[in-house]
Amino acid sequence: DARVTQTPRDKVTEMGQEVTMRCQPILGHNTVFWYRQTMMQGLELLAYFRNRAPLDDSGMPKDRFSAEMPDATLATLKIQPSEPRDSAVYFCASGFRQEQFFGPGTRLTVL
Amino acid sequence: GIQVEQSPPDLILQEGANSTLRCNFSDSVNNLQWFHQNPWGQLINLFYIPSGTKQNGRLSATTVATERYSLLYISSSQTTDSGVYFCAVVGGTSYGKLTFGQGTILTVHP
Repeated sequence: DARVTQTPRDKVTEMGQEVTMRCQPILGHNTVFWYRQTMMQGLELLAYFRNRAPLDDSGMPKDRFSAEMPDATLATLKIQPSEPRDSAVYFCASGFRQEQFFGPGTRLTVL
Repeated sequence: GIQVEQSPPDLILQEGANSTLRCNFSDSVNNLQWFHQNPWGQLINLFYIPSGTKQNGRLSATTVATERYSLLYISSSQTTDSGVYFCAVVGGTSYGKLTFGQGTILTVHP
């Protein structure tokens, strides 16, 4: 049963610390997306990769967020330094053709 | 960018009842998906349906792309259907970016 995996599932950290979230897309999918879900903003796109190349990261605060795909089996989202307003659930999704499949999410709490 | 509106925002049902959820979008779409976010926060794919009609068990969906809306039907609802239902679309010029509606919160009572 192919599915997107994300680690860690929960992360509690203090303001100013670096946070790294990891995602393993479904094998064979050529697109990877990072979304963030908050009560106020709902679900919003942060970054988008196709064939490991970044295509759109306009939804991401550039000064503190970075997203990479070092290989086809790993996508990372890094926040440095983290702030309390970054507290949210971060979802990774992978896609084949047009359909997207979501991972279980990383719940981030920044104190 | 494309706008997605879902209605109703909240829905409360007794087990066994049927319901219809609606999704309106403001422009042409390349992709439309319905998701169920369960009480544990997981986003579960229900349908990939940029046009036409699909059925999966007690759930079915119809998208009329020319009129810019989609409907999700839930028949004989069960308590496990509770959660938030999201409609999400990829606009015609948006590459792969899914734009989500605000969701319909469904509560099914036994």
